[in-house]
Amino acid sequence: NAGVTQTPKFRILKIGQSMTLQCAQDMNHNYMYWYRQDPGMGLKLIYYSVGAGITDKGEVPNGYNVSRSTTEDFPLRLELAAPSQTSVYFCASRGQGTNEKLFFGSGTQLSVL
Amino acid sequence: GDSVTQMEGPVTLSEEAFLTINCTYTATGYPSLFWYVQYPGEGLQLLLKATKADDKGSNKGFEATYRKETTSFHLEKGSVQVSDSAVYFCALTDHRYNFNKFYFGSGTKLNVKP
Repeated sequence: NAGVTQTPKFRILKIGQSMTLQCAQDMNHNYMYWYRQDPGMGLKLIYYSVGAGITDKGEVPNGYNVSRSTTEDFPLRLELAAPSQTSVYFCASRGQGTNEKLFFGSGTQLSVL
Repeated sequence: GDSVTQMEGPVTLSEEAFLTINCTYTATGYPSLFWYVQYPGEGLQLLLKATKADDKGSNKGFEATYRKETTSFHLEKGSVQVSDSAVYFCALTDHRYNFNKFYFGSGTKLNVKP
């Protein structure tokens, strides 16, 4: 069982470039999340989804977009990358119950120079 | 709104020392509380959880008790090992109002020396 798979693991972007961070889960989870982790700042929620076709903003959505066309995939799009988006990005998913734990991917380290 | 505050690190201990990492929370509804652990180069993974007041979560020698009167969920371990070196995150999800969202503390880095 692969769990939550994120690609790429590392990426360097130039200011103004765009890219998509991929996230896929094979556990048939309805809920999926994107977090960013800045040094010493913990995790901040960017976007989340409660099912295919449904997405909503988290705490720090500016500069990002998401889509959820299937249950398995939840890509995060960065348009016009800025240095402030340098961070480690984590995708997570969970099952239906209210006490279900989050399963995390191994993260994408992004640098915008 | 909902939030989690945990003690700043890093925390440096010798092997077999006693560990406490403090965590307090603010929630408007009925939160479940979690401790997640992040080993170097990996994503977060659940360490333990408690879903209602006075519950004690435990795993791998770690324990935390859900204290509603003090809005706390402190992590403890009686004897740490070098392999416990990691970053520990306290988190909550609020069933009544924001059950879709998880709120995380800033993380506490633990260094255990042999």
